[in-house]
Amino acid sequence: NAGVTQTPKFQVLKTGQSMTLQCAQDMNHNSMYWYRQDPGMGLRLIYYSASEGTTDKGEVPNGYNVSRLNKREFSLRLESAAPSQTSVYFCASSVVLYTEAFFGQGTRLTVV
Amino acid sequence: TQLLEQSPQFLSIQEGENLTVYCNSSSVFSSLQWYRQEPGEGPVLLVTVVTGGEVKKLKRLTFQFGDARKDSSLHITAAQPGDTGLYLCAGETDSWGKLQFGAGTQVVVTP
Repeated sequence: NAGVTQTPKFQVLKTGQSMTLQCAQDMNHNSMYWYRQDPGMGLRLIYYSASEGTTDKGEVPNGYNVSRLNKREFSLRLESAAPSQTSVYFCASSVVLYTEAFFGQGTRLTVV
Repeated sequence: TQLLEQSPQFLSIQEGENLTVYCNSSSVFSSLQWYRQEPGEGPVLLVTVVTGGEVKKLKRLTFQFGDARKDSSLHITAAQPGDTGLYLCAGETDSWGKLQFGAGTQVVVTP
């Protein structure tokens, strides 16, 4: 079973460039999330989608946008990358909001 | 300021030893989850606790939820190198309205 698939796994961007991180789950989950993980900070919620057709801001949404394309897919867009956005990004999904979450393998993003 | 504190931040032990990591908050949790994350991977759920005083066992791992539902601990008996990883707790409270993760405890078990 694929579970939660994120692409790409690694990315280097120059300041000001844009990119979209893709995420897809094959578990028929209703809720999906984007987190960033920085040393000593734990996982911080960027945006989430409680169900298809809805998205909401999390703890650190500034500089990001999201799209819940359908029940399976939830993308994260950086419109103008900044060095402060250097981080490891994780997509996750769960049956309903805040229950057991299944995570992707992460995207390691470096902004130079 | 972390809403959910984990301690210690780092733990290095020899194979066969026991260890305990802690997760604390000033808020009452509706539920609390424990995850383990290995290098280069996403976190994987180990257990969810919901009832105050609850104890759950997963092979050599024992999870306790405090009676007041403000704290939790994870105890590993006879640790093995395969237990190496970042242990994260995540809690939900009525006031937070979201699942909050702690910063994690990095555990290293050497042969």
